[in-house]
Amino acid sequence: QLQLQESGPGLVKPSETLSLTCTVSGDSISSPGYYWAWLRQPPGKGLVWIGSIYSSGRTHYNPSLNSRVTISVDTSKNQFSLKMSSVAATDTAIYYCARQHAIPAANYLLNFDYWGQGSLVTVSS
Amino acid sequence: EIGLTQSPGTLSLSPGERATLSCRASQSVSSNYLAWYQQKPGQAPRLLIYGASNRATGIPDRFSGSGSGTDFTLTISRLEPEDFAVYYCQRYGRSNALTFGGGTKVEIK
Repeated sequence: QLQLQESGPGLVKPSETLSLTCTVSGDSISSPGYYWAWLRQPPGKGLVWIGSIYSSGRTHYNPSLNSRVTISVDTSKNQFSLKMSSVAATDTAIYYCARQHAIPAANYLLNFDYWGQGSLVTVSS
Repeated sequence: EIGLTQSPGTLSLSPGERATLSCRASQSVSSNYLAWYQQKPGQAPRLLIYGASNRATGIPDRFSGSGSGTDFTLTISRLEPEDFAVYYCQRYGRSNALTFGGGTKVEIK
């Protein structure tokens, strides 16, 4: 059974960098046909896709967050990570990692079928 | 960017009733690249439907999806107590098309 688990600090100061890691178990992060994604959900609000990465390192980002976000992958550890710079209170949210179906050859990113439990990150001094 | 509008915002129904949720896109969704998710309080979203009408693994057949173009519907034929939750639609395809609707809350009347 595939499982994803987010880890990282729950509190980040304004203007600093948010860092989270997702550990994948039960399958290889290098399995063909899947991207690995980060999403977030501000308290009481809807879902926002942040970005996705393939095992090769190819990334796609939400244009509204692109300038502040970096997603990386470590296939040897079966992990992928999110860094978001210059955070503000509006970045306070539950951050989810998820597996995303894809058609890599066409750069098509599809639906999310497995999700982590989520990690609450609060931006506050 | 294609926007997704879900309606109604809240649906108040009783167990056993039929629920009809709407997701309208601002532009036509190619290849019916639309999914539905269920989210309960304190939990991650769960994939229900992909490709507009295909049930995900393990999803009961009381859940069905339909539609094409700009208008899509999620139907729950008979509400069970565990179906009261928030439902989101998601458009997918090229990365600039990845977006979620604002959600519909199905609450107990």
